[in-house]
Amino acid sequence: EAGVTQSPRYAVLQEGQAVSFWCDPISGHDTLYWYQQPRDQGPQLLVYFRDEAVIDNSQLPSDRFSAVRPKGTNSTLKIQSAKQGDTATYLCASSLLRNTGQLYFGEGSKLTVL
Amino acid sequence: GDSVTQTEGQVALSEEDFLTIHCNYSASGYPTLFWYVQYPGEGPQLLFRASRDKEKGSSRGFEATYDKGTTSFHLRKASVQESDSAVYYCALSGPGGSNAKLTFGKGTKLSVKS
Repeated sequence: EAGVTQSPRYAVLQEGQAVSFWCDPISGHDTLYWYQQPRDQGPQLLVYFRDEAVIDNSQLPSDRFSAVRPKGTNSTLKIQSAKQGDTATYLCASSLLRNTGQLYFGEGSKLTVL
Repeated sequence: GDSVTQTEGQVALSEEDFLTIHCNYSASGYPTLFWYVQYPGEGPQLLFRASRDKEKGSSRGFEATYDKGTTSFHLRKASVQESDSAVYYCALSGPGGSNAKLTFGKGTKLSVKS
């Protein structure tokens, strides 16, 4: 069974530029999460979906961050006008609702904003 | 809101030493508690979980017991190996299936020398 796939693995931007991260969850998983992990810190939830619906985006900086999961499968996280404070690894995870807490994480997309 | 506190930011041990990483939580209701492990360049992966008071979770020689009285879930291993070197995260989620999002602690970096 294929795991969670993320791309790109690395991105380097100047402040003010935009970037999109893509996530392909494990087939059949109904719940998809995006976490932000600054260097040497724990993952912090940005947003999560059940199928195509946003369940919680309260920690997503809505002025510059957006996330979609249009068909309830793949997902895209976009950062517009990046800031140095956005430097972090962006982790995508998926799970089954009936197995709450067993998240399967991808390898992450490491973003550096200069 | 819910939170997890890991006392140790870093732990350095020699092979066959005993390991304890302290985890305390603050949450309403009756959360499910988790330990995740993250190796360099990878996303976190579930080590084990516990969902009720006095329940012991275990995997790969690691174990922790849910203690509602002291709101703790300390990770222990009797004899560590060099291959255990990684970052360990304590996490919690809401009770049952009502809250699928995980809140992570800041992590404890374990370094084991041979």
